[in-house]
Amino acid sequence: EAGVAQSPRYKIIEKRQSVAFWCNPISGHATLYWYQQILGQGPKLLIQFQNNGVVDDSQLPKDRFSAERLKGVDSTLKIQPAKLEDSAVYLCASSLRAGGRSDTQYFGPGTRLTVL
Amino acid sequence: AQSVAQPEDQVNVAEGNPLTVKCTYSVSGNPYLFWYVQYPNRGLQFLLKYITGDNLVKGSYGFEAEFNKSQTSFHLKKPSALVSDSALYFCAVRDMDSGNTGKLIFGQGTTLQVKP
Repeated sequence: EAGVAQSPRYKIIEKRQSVAFWCNPISGHATLYWYQQILGQGPKLLIQFQNNGVVDDSQLPKDRFSAERLKGVDSTLKIQPAKLEDSAVYLCASSLRAGGRSDTQYFGPGTRLTVL
Repeated sequence: AQSVAQPEDQVNVAEGNPLTVKCTYSVSGNPYLFWYVQYPNRGLQFLLKYITGDNLVKGSYGFEAEFNKSQTSFHLKKPSALVSDSALYFCAVRDMDSGNTGKLIFGQGTTLQVKP
């Protein structure tokens, strides 16, 4: 079974530029998550999709971050404009069921963003 | 509020010796607990989880974890460490305050260093 795919793996941009990350979850997984992992910290949830609807985006800085999951499969996370503090690894994860509390989340390799 | 703590930034152990990586949690209600491992420039890999039942949970790569409700702990263990176990380990708890979402709250991580 193929895992969670993410691209690009690395991205370097200057502040105030825009950037987009792509994620393709494990086939058949209903729920998709975007986490932000700042160096030296554990991942923090940015947004959760259940099929193509948003379940939780309470921690998403909506003035600069946006995300969509068209057709309930792959997803794009965008930052516009980027700030220095957005430098982090952006992890995408997926889980099988919608709203399953015991479900395991499977993570992709992440995109390492550096904002100069 | 739900939280998880990993009291050690780094754990050093000799190859062949038993290892323990500590995790304590604070939740309302019954906890759903997870352990993940992260190798350099890789995403998080699922090791094991506790949902209910037996307090000793067995997972991937010979790891196990012991759930202790009275001490609110979920320590990760392995009887005999390998150099290849050297990585960053994260404990996580399901956020039960956020309704029926899948949000995980992660600890800050513990670096395991296994020396030959």
